[in-house]
Amino acid sequence: AQSVTQLGSHVSVSEGALVLLRCNYSSSVPPYLFWYVQYPNQGLQLLLKYTSAATLVKGINGFEAEFKKSETSFHLTKPSAHMSDAAEYFCAVTSYNQGGKLIFGQGTELSVKP
Amino acid sequence: NAGVTQTPKFQVLKTGQSMTLQCAQDMNHEYMSWYRQDPGMGLRLIHYSVGAGITDQGEVPNGYNVSRSTTEDFPLRLLSAAPSQTSVYFCASSYTGQQEAFFGQGTRLTVV
Repeated sequence: AQSVTQLGSHVSVSEGALVLLRCNYSSSVPPYLFWYVQYPNQGLQLLLKYTSAATLVKGINGFEAEFKKSETSFHLTKPSAHMSDAAEYFCAVTSYNQGGKLIFGQGTELSVKP
Repeated sequence: NAGVTQTPKFQVLKTGQSMTLQCAQDMNHEYMSWYRQDPGMGLRLIHYSVGAGITDQGEVPNGYNVSRSTTEDFPLRLLSAAPSQTSVYFCASSYTGQQEAFFGQGTRLTVV
């Protein structure tokens, strides 16, 4: 069975500081990994995805993530936080044999202080 | 191109009532799924479908039914609402099982 663990349910950074949101996954087959962002009272929007091409993936709004198979990790980073980055972030995993089912982590709420 | 459309956006039910949450997509996606979102638990899969006429259970299927008679529509039925079903429900669709899912705006359901 696949699973995702996001370390830290709340992360707070200052505006301009590095953003690091952690995601570790478990999968017995090659995974496809996704980061989604959810703004208050809205649906989920895709930030970026890893589907077995380049291990360093760039997404929207300056975010990127690196797939590290040896560490089973897919951490999300952004060099400089902006106030508009405040939201909840979800890491998710699936694979070729999961029929489109996404397994989500618990989510990390990012706060950005001025 | 509307994407994934969910109706209603808000609903209050009494315990024991039944209702159907509607989900429609206009992207010709084969894969559709329903999730519920509860604080601190992320999104949990209720039911999913890999094409018209094919459905299967997810992680938390009890108390919910689905059907997929067309590619576009994937309604979720609550048979007899319980307070434990108070949640935010999201419908999602994807073109293949490996591509990103597109989400609707959600239905906020309260069962009293």
